[in-house]
Amino acid sequence: QSALTQPASVSGSPGQSITISCTGTSSDVGGYNYVSWYQQHPGKAPKLMIYEVSNRPSGVSNRFSGSKSGNTASLTISGLQADDEADYYCASYTRSSTLYVFGIGTKVTVL
Amino acid sequence: QVQLVESGGGVVQPGRSLRLSCAASGFTFRGSGMHWVRQAPGKGLEWLAVIWYDGSDKYYADSVKGRLTISRDNSNNTLYLQMNSLRAEDTAVYYCARARIGYCTGVTCFSGFEYWGQGTLLTVSS
Repeated sequence: QSALTQPASVSGSPGQSITISCTGTSSDVGGYNYVSWYQQHPGKAPKLMIYEVSNRPSGVSNRFSGSKSGNTASLTISGLQADDEADYYCASYTRSSTLYVFGIGTKVTVL
Repeated sequence: QVQLVESGGGVVQPGRSLRLSCAASGFTFRGSGMHWVRQAPGKGLEWLAVIWYDGSDKYYADSVKGRLTISRDNSNNTLYLQMNSLRAEDTAVYYCARARIGYCTGVTCFSGFEYWGQGTLLTVSS
């Protein structure tokens, strides 16, 4: 099972919006609504930002939103802030024998 | 508050075995599906294993099937990961994580990993 495809890096200026894509197949992203997004600051544990494609856990800013079209999921961060600078990973349930696959990760830089 | 504290990492020689632990507190552990995820130095996240809330079923990533065993002790609120025949490529930070949906089974255990421990570093080296 290959990792989900994400851009290696995305950057934006404070206040701008950015979108991170996550491309899989019909066996994972396209076949299920169990797509999640995780934020990870250096040296820290990941934090759940979005679950089931577009839902935010309690306490996560509404500047973070998720969506999906076909085999590609997306995470949009609006009103970019300095603290948003981190690595972001998408993940999905997959019908392959591995069951759960992460994306390769995207480094977000706030210019 | 929810706390997950991993322990048991360290430096181990190739071929040896090791058991990692994850002590849980602040939530109903016996009602929570639990996962192990690892991250090699400078690399991305890799899902390893899941165990249902009651321990009745367990599933593993293909890459570790046969070498890793996930288990739990609900009376002591502790999750375990037994690792055998360790290899250099097992060097990573190992995280335990709680499934978002309580009493989950099947695909619902993959709705999202809501809480994570701080991780424990395992280095496999001679």
